[in-house]
Amino acid sequence: AQSVTQLDSHVSVSEGTPVLLRCNYSSSYSPSLFWYVQHPNKGLQLLLKYTSAATLVKGINGFEAEFKKSETSFHLTKPSAHMSDAAEYFCVVSTFTGGGNKLTFGTGTQLKVEL
Amino acid sequence: ETGVTQSPTHLIKTRGQQVTLRCSSQSGHNTVSWYQQALGQGPQFIFQYYREEENGRGNFPPRFSGLQFPNYSSELNVNALELDDSALYLCASSPGQGETQYFGPGTRLLVL
Repeated sequence: AQSVTQLDSHVSVSEGTPVLLRCNYSSSYSPSLFWYVQHPNKGLQLLLKYTSAATLVKGINGFEAEFKKSETSFHLTKPSAHMSDAAEYFCVVSTFTGGGNKLTFGTGTQLKVEL
Repeated sequence: ETGVTQSPTHLIKTRGQQVTLRCSSQSGHNTVSWYQQALGQGPQFIFQYYREEENGRGNFPPRFSGLQFPNYSSELNVNALELDDSALYLCASSPGQGETQYFGPGTRLLVL
C-alpha cells in the first residue's frame, strides 16, 4: 500500500526566512505525489504535483518540491515565507483503486509565520 | 471557467437522520471523488464516481452512498447519522480517472 509520512506536525518560521516541510513516501512503484494547502475554513488548493517528469517541481506562490527516490522524500520548500503562507499543508500520494484513483493524505503540517 | 462548488456550506443534523450533500464538478470534468475530513485530521477517501458509476471506495460503511448524474454533478448521501459523522465533506473533480483532483470548498456537517 502506498502512504506518506509528514515528519513535522507544526513548523514555525519568521517572515522572510526559508520554509521546509518534510514528507517521506512509501510506494512499490513510481508514485504520483502532490502538495495541497488548506487555509482556515477553506477547501484544499493544489500547490504542485510530481508525475515522474522533472524531479524538481515548481508550484504556485513560489513553492517547489524535489522528488528524491534514493531518500523516498518529497519535501516542500519556499525561499522566503510570507504571512499569507500560514496554513495547513498536506503531502498526498495518488493510489490506483482498480478503475480509478484515490488520494491518500498525510497527517498535515501546520505552518505558522511570525513577524 | 467555474470551479468545483458544493452545497450547502454548513448543515446541522441530529443523530439518526439522513443527509444529502451536493457537488458540481468543474467544467469538462467527468470524475468526482468524495472525502471526509474530521477535525484536526487529513481527508479520508470515501468513494469515486466516473461517468455515473462508482469505481473505487474507501473504508466507509454502506450507509455512505452516492450518485453521479449525466452532467457529472454528484451527491453524497449518509443515512442513520452518527455523532462521528461530524466533519468537513470535500468533493473533488478531475478531467478523467487518474488525473489531478481539484477540490471544492466543502460542506461542514455537525451531528448533534
